[in-house]
Amino acid sequence: DAGITQSPRHKVTETGTPVTLRCHQTENHRYMYWYRQDPGHGLRLIHYSYGVKDTDKGEVSDGYSVSRSKTEDFLLTLESATSSQTSVYFCAISERREDGEQFFGPGTRLTVL
Amino acid sequence: GENVEQHPSTLSVQEGDSAVIKCTYSDSASNYFPWYKQELGKRPQLIIDIRSNVGEKKDQRIAVTLNKTAKHFSLHITETQPEDSAVYFCAAPPKFNAGGTSYGKLTFGQGTILTVHP
Repeated sequence: DAGITQSPRHKVTETGTPVTLRCHQTENHRYMYWYRQDPGHGLRLIHYSYGVKDTDKGEVSDGYSVSRSKTEDFLLTLESATSSQTSVYFCAISERREDGEQFFGPGTRLTVL
Repeated sequence: GENVEQHPSTLSVQEGDSAVIKCTYSDSASNYFPWYKQELGKRPQLIIDIRSNVGEKKDQRIAVTLNKTAKHFSLHITETQPEDSAVYFCAAPPKFNAGGTSYGKLTFGQGTILTVHP
């Protein structure tokens, strides 16, 4: 597995609380992505980054924000968690701007009560 | 953006049989089509990909075919084994942004749960 870690791996929180998930890579890849995985929906892109401090929205970005202050770290924040954000969150990295393999982290299972 | 439809959602085969999963995409400019395999409780991993300048690519028991005219691509697994049981996802790049790049983004299909019975 590529050098990608996610923390925490599991989290249970309550509606309305802020939550931050961290993705850390040791591969020095430029491109990073946050996905959520829900049954029947596959993997849906939340936000992505194409460089330090360069981020943009994906297809399901409402209720999420991201930050990337260093090449190796990409943070996903749920400002005020809702039950609809209960999901498994995957971070991925890629070294190519086009048509390249994405390497996924181990995932974070988030439950919002 | 790109719309990727994947069928079937579940597929059950006997060991040794072949399995075929099909995906359709909407953006005729898409030029890269990967397939990922996700075992239970694990992360997705790339198993094969194809670029739009070729119609077929093989890697041992797996192959991918691409029909650009019809805008669909398929994963073929021959001589299936129980360890092939997993969820398989196809993907395609979304429409390019104004700068002319996808930044490596992918739109994934909904996934196919493949079960291979011994």
